[in-house]
Amino acid sequence: QVHLVESGGGVVQPGRSLRLSCAASGFTFSTYAMHWVRQAPGKGLEWVAVIWYDGSEEYFGDSVKGRFTISRDNSKNTVHLQMNALRVEDTAVYYCAREDGCIGGGCYTGIDYWGQGTLVTVSS
Amino acid sequence: SYELTQPLSVSVALGQTATITCGGDNIGSGNVHWYQQKPGQAPILVIYRDNSRPSGIPERFSGSNSGNTATLTISRAQAEDEADYYCQVWDSSTYVFGPGAKVTVL
Repeated sequence: QVHLVESGGGVVQPGRSLRLSCAASGFTFSTYAMHWVRQAPGKGLEWVAVIWYDGSEEYFGDSVKGRFTISRDNSKNTVHLQMNALRVEDTAVYYCAREDGCIGGGCYTGIDYWGQGTLVTVSS
Repeated sequence: SYELTQPLSVSVALGQTATITCGGDNIGSGNVHWYQQKPGQAPILVIYRDNSRPSGIPERFSGSNSGNTATLTISRAQAEDEADYYCQVWDSSTYVFGPGAKVTVL
């Protein structure tokens, strides 16, 4: 059974950093691209970042480009989101999710499993 | 950046057909995915690559994509289909979500 469990959320002041982690189990982690998607309270879904199955490609949404980085450790079945220079508008539930159809320059099959999310609150 | 449009809300009578549109410039040239999200829950993929259903998704969910509009159709709508629905496309090295449409089953 596929499990994606996010951790690392919490309350942080504007301008500070936070690192989210996602532990994966129940599937061959090293063959899947991994995404982070966020949802501000009462708002819609916003895609944040993706890392290819082998770590060879990374892409970011415009609102986080240059501030967030994504990494993965296929030996530990984990993916991380390093969030720097946080802003109040980064407040959201952050979901970790997988996709098996990211290849070449794009993703083509949709995100088929999502974690339950971790809440990040940026506030002074 | 690429933008998607969806109706804010869609109402459907129990057992009838709901149609949720997703508009975007030449959206028909790419793949569209659809997600269902109920309050307090993570999203679920209900349609991928325009018209494919993942395992476990009821046959009453179907999709199409042509020109500037993609469509998610819920036939014989059930009470449990009441949720927010988001379309998604890959464009210029990013994923883009539509703003979401709230489906109410009357």
